[in-house]
Amino acid sequence: GAGVSQSPRYKVAKRGQDVALRCDPISGHVSLFWYQQALGQGPEFLTYFQNEAQLDKSGLPSDRFFAERPEGSVSTLKIQRTQQEDSAVYLCASSSGTGIYSNQPQHFGDGTRLSIL
Amino acid sequence: AQRVTQPEKLLSVFKGAPVELKCNYSYSGSPELFWYVQYSRQRLQLLLRHISRESIKGFTADLNKGETSFHLKKPFAQEEDSAMYYCAARTDSWGKLQFGAGTQVVVTP
Repeated sequence: GAGVSQSPRYKVAKRGQDVALRCDPISGHVSLFWYQQALGQGPEFLTYFQNEAQLDKSGLPSDRFFAERPEGSVSTLKIQRTQQEDSAVYLCASSSGTGIYSNQPQHFGDGTRLSIL
Repeated sequence: AQRVTQPEKLLSVFKGAPVELKCNYSYSGSPELFWYVQYSRQRLQLLLRHISRESIKGFTADLNKGETSFHLKKPFAQEEDSAMYYCAARTDSWGKLQFGAGTQVVVTP
């Protein structure tokens, strides 16, 4: 595709349910990032993959959050036993570069808006 | 703590007037700084980065290490500049971004 694709665009779940959010990065992009954006705030880093390896998960807020990228392309962010504070927009970004010295920018998807009732 | 600060939540300017969006950062060392923009119903996209030292859509941003600032400027605002603007810093080995809270710019005719 032409850009980063995320699905679903909107997700409503009841508190306590599990949810799974999908990210299709730009083909060939090695780096993949997940961010969480609460209402009125900037995006906050959750986790980073380089190919299939999850190299940084320091931003995951609790052990209810889990991310994977088993084949180094599509990634899934899973949230177990959702809480109301998990309501946010979840953004995925991909880049053809790796690391701070790469000149390649991050390309963002449209995000998934998650609402927990 | 490392952070990016955008003190203005909303900036309202008239078309043709200058606009300046403030961004301050607190990091040790030399972070790489960016401005991202999100137009209505569009995705977040890169506007410019300090290492490129370029002007995009008439916008420029200068890194001032002494004041730890990276303010975004445009001499003559246009209606199509109305958008949400985020300042971001990239500092770690993997390139993750730390964003400010964003500034909503509204340009009125």
